[in-house]
Amino acid sequence: AQKITQTQPGMFVQEKEAVTLDCTYDTSDPSYGLFWYKQPSSGEMIFLIYQGSYDQQNATEGRYSLNFQKARKSANLVISASQLGDSAMYFCAPNPHAGKSTFGDGTTLTVKP
Amino acid sequence: DGGITQSPKYLFRKEGQNVTLSCEQNLNHDAMYWYRQDPGQGLRLIYYSQIVNDFQKGDIAEGYSVSREKKESFPLTVTSAQKNPTAFYLCASRTGGSPLHFGNGTRLTVT
Repeated sequence: AQKITQTQPGMFVQEKEAVTLDCTYDTSDPSYGLFWYKQPSSGEMIFLIYQGSYDQQNATEGRYSLNFQKARKSANLVISASQLGDSAMYFCAPNPHAGKSTFGDGTTLTVKP
Repeated sequence: DGGITQSPKYLFRKEGQNVTLSCEQNLNHDAMYWYRQDPGQGLRLIYYSQIVNDFQKGDIAEGYSVSREKKESFPLTVTSAQKNPTAFYLCASRTGGSPLHFGNGTRLTVT
């Protein structure tokens, strides 16, 4: 069965520093994609960034980038120059498999002033 | 603007009562999803639907039911059989390989 793993339940980072959140996808399918979402304390879910397994470059969106390691099937989220507003839960999710769309357990990021 | 509307934002019910959570989208998306989230936890898939008049159980379907009579609507009923219904419920939709679009959620409290 396909399984998405986020190994860090909680992370702390100092304001203006960079932080990396881990995500690994256990799949036998060579073609897959991984999405990252942010959930602030308000509860809304915000799409951040996407990486496809055949993309030539690591994805970047502003202060967000992905460190994609194809052999390990991991797409770790890097947030540069952390801001207090980055404090939230972060979820990794693969492309739907047979229509089913599941999530990792998430990482709670706290940015310290 | 297109989006997903979940109503109400907060819902209170007595134990033993069924309750229906509304989810409406005007994005013309084919697929719709319901997730449950407990405090500090991840999202767990309850039901999903890829086309009208068809839906599949997710990982925690017991005690829940859904219908998909219209493309725009995917209501979720929390039945009295659901042992711990108090939670945050999120509805989402997508088309093709796009990211999920989420509603703002409904916080259900059952006492």
